[in-house]
Amino acid sequence: DGGITQSPKYLFRKEGQNVTLSCEQNLNHDAMYWYRQDPGQGLRLIYYSQIVNDFQKGDIAEGYSVSREKKESFPLTVTSAQKNPTAFYLCATRDRGRADTQYFGPGTRLTVL
Amino acid sequence: AQSVSQHNHHVILSEAASLELGCNYSYGGTVNLFWYVQYPGQHLQLLLKYFSGDPLVKGIKGFEAEFIKSKFSFNLRKPSVQWSDTAEYFCAVMSSGTYKYIFGTGTRLKVLA
Repeated sequence: DGGITQSPKYLFRKEGQNVTLSCEQNLNHDAMYWYRQDPGQGLRLIYYSQIVNDFQKGDIAEGYSVSREKKESFPLTVTSAQKNPTAFYLCATRDRGRADTQYFGPGTRLTVL
Repeated sequence: AQSVSQHNHHVILSEAASLELGCNYSYGGTVNLFWYVQYPGQHLQLLLKYFSGDPLVKGIKGFEAEFIKSKFSFNLRKPSVQWSDTAEYFCAVMSSGTYKYIFGTGTRLKVLA
């Protein structure tokens, strides 16, 4: 069963702690993306990666970090430097074979207390 | 800077009414255009896309969109909405040079039975 897995679905952390959100895919897509979704603001791009061991900053990268050591995995770390980390985080892949259509995971809702 | 504008933030329609959701973008280069939909409790999924050819594209569930290059627009239409179309709709633009996506802020559609 192909798809994108994000875990956990809900995550709670204390202010000042770093937290890592998981994203795994078995679609064999090279490109992966992280977005943040806030009410009334749509999706905003945090980081993206076109290939293993390479990634680029999106529009709101400050306070976040990523790694891309494997094709299947693109974890996102929300650091204590992120001023407003409470949000819904979406991971996506891009399918070159279908006119660059993106496929999205179910998301992780992070709440920082 | 690239941007995507969705003019309608909330739309309420009765079943069988016609729908048109506006989307305008600002980008001078070659783009791929998308509409994604997020039904309550479900993943974001592709509704339709344009990358070349006929500017009138048809998607799932009877939706269509027209790319008007001179107006930088990609409006979504459906002749007759159903209660099951209640969802949030996002317009997105992908730059073919950077593979970076920009999303609009979304339109929440509520269809009254």
